[in-house]
Amino acid sequence: GENVEQHPSTLSVQEGDSAVIKCTYSDSASNYFPWYKQELGKRPQLIIDIRSNVGEKKDQRIAVTLNKTAKHFSLHITETQPEDSAVYFCARYGGATNKLIFGTGTLLAVQP
Amino acid sequence: EAGVTQFPSHSVIEKGQTVTLRCDPISGHDNLYWYRRVMGKEIKFLLHFVKESKQDESGMPNNRFLAERTGGTYSTLKVQPAELEDSGVYFCASSQAPGLRADTQYFGPGTRLTVL
Repeated sequence: GENVEQHPSTLSVQEGDSAVIKCTYSDSASNYFPWYKQELGKRPQLIIDIRSNVGEKKDQRIAVTLNKTAKHFSLHITETQPEDSAVYFCARYGGATNKLIFGTGTLLAVQP
Repeated sequence: EAGVTQFPSHSVIEKGQTVTLRCDPISGHDNLYWYRRVMGKEIKFLLHFVKESKQDESGMPNNRFLAERTGGTYSTLKVQPAELEDSGVYFCASSQAPGLRADTQYFGPGTRLTVL
């Protein structure tokens, strides 16, 4: 199928805790997996991405892992801060077209 | 560098009316995409332009939607006549890389369309 399954749909954590969001897909031709963060009333912004030849990528408090065999990828945010509160979308890209196929989003709330 | 811009930011129209959304991509970006998010659901692809040509319009819901990109710069998305289910946030995105190669897509702020 084309869809990307994303879980959980909402996530509430205490400031300083870690947050993990997971996505699964079924199209084995997928080769690029970006994550977007959308703060309330703002545009979706790319925060990290990973390509299929890499298993993990890290950027400060954010990391993404990819398991191509199991067809799932995850976003990890450590030491969460209130400004991390937003909707996070995973997406995949690949196959015959350039379109991004998004998950349904995760609303992350970081409680101070 | 200016980002992707969209106009208007909000539009409220009655069922049966016409609305035209505009997107200005980042200068020099040949790829322009339209996406839509219906409340609570995923961001869904509508179509993709490479310069002025429609590369993929497989996501367009029906023939009430018409997208154009004359001259390969800005794009318009017209909904005529609008129906209640067309309500949602319409995003435009652009990217630089030519051909079938994954490249960062930069999103605009979206147009929130409400059809009453």
